[in-house]
Amino acid sequence: DAGITQSPRHKVTETGTPVTLRCHQTENHRYMYWYRQDPGHGLRLIHYSYGVKDTDKGEVSDGYSVSRSKTEDFLLTLESATSSQTSVYFCAISERGQETQYFGPGTRLLVL
Amino acid sequence: AQSVTQPDIHITVSEGASLELRCNYSYGATPYLFWYVQSPGQGLQLLLKYFSGDTLVQGIKGFEAEFKRSQSSFNLRKPSVHWSDAAEYFCAVGASNTGKLIFGQGTTLQVKP
Repeated sequence: DAGITQSPRHKVTETGTPVTLRCHQTENHRYMYWYRQDPGHGLRLIHYSYGVKDTDKGEVSDGYSVSRSKTEDFLLTLESATSSQTSVYFCAISERGQETQYFGPGTRLLVL
Repeated sequence: AQSVTQPDIHITVSEGASLELRCNYSYGATPYLFWYVQSPGQGLQLLLKYFSGDTLVQGIKGFEAEFKRSQSSFNLRKPSVHWSDAAEYFCAVGASNTGKLIFGQGTTLQVKP
């Protein structure tokens, strides 16, 4: 299995609070991705990174920001959490663009 | 715009029966196609992928998929389903050189004893 961890694995927070999710990899892969999974929607890309300090938006980026200060870590921040951001968040990595993506175990976030 | 459609939200098959999960995509160039499986509470595991070459692709756990350009399809098959195959299955297309994936809505497979 690819060395990908996500923290926390579960989080409950209140509307309006900031939340940061962490993805950590030990594979030294260049690309990292954040997805959210919601029933009926499959997985949708939030943001991705193609190198340290290089990031770009996905299809559902509103309300989210990311940072990547080193190869192994990719942070997803909800600046002011809303109930619509209740979801399961998955991180993925790949060695190059259009290569296989390997997924982390997910973070289940509940915004009350 | 790129898109992926999995027409069947739920499928129930008997153990030992054959399985086919449908996937149709919309993409302007030659697609990069994937099938992933997700067991309850778990992350996604790659079953197989198509990048180029032979249009019949073999994967793990006895799964295979066939790329049919004329039908814009990449259907997943297994000749004999096992109870442990019960899970959710996702088809995805690689949208560009960035590696961004577009996922289908998923198909939940239930296996009857």
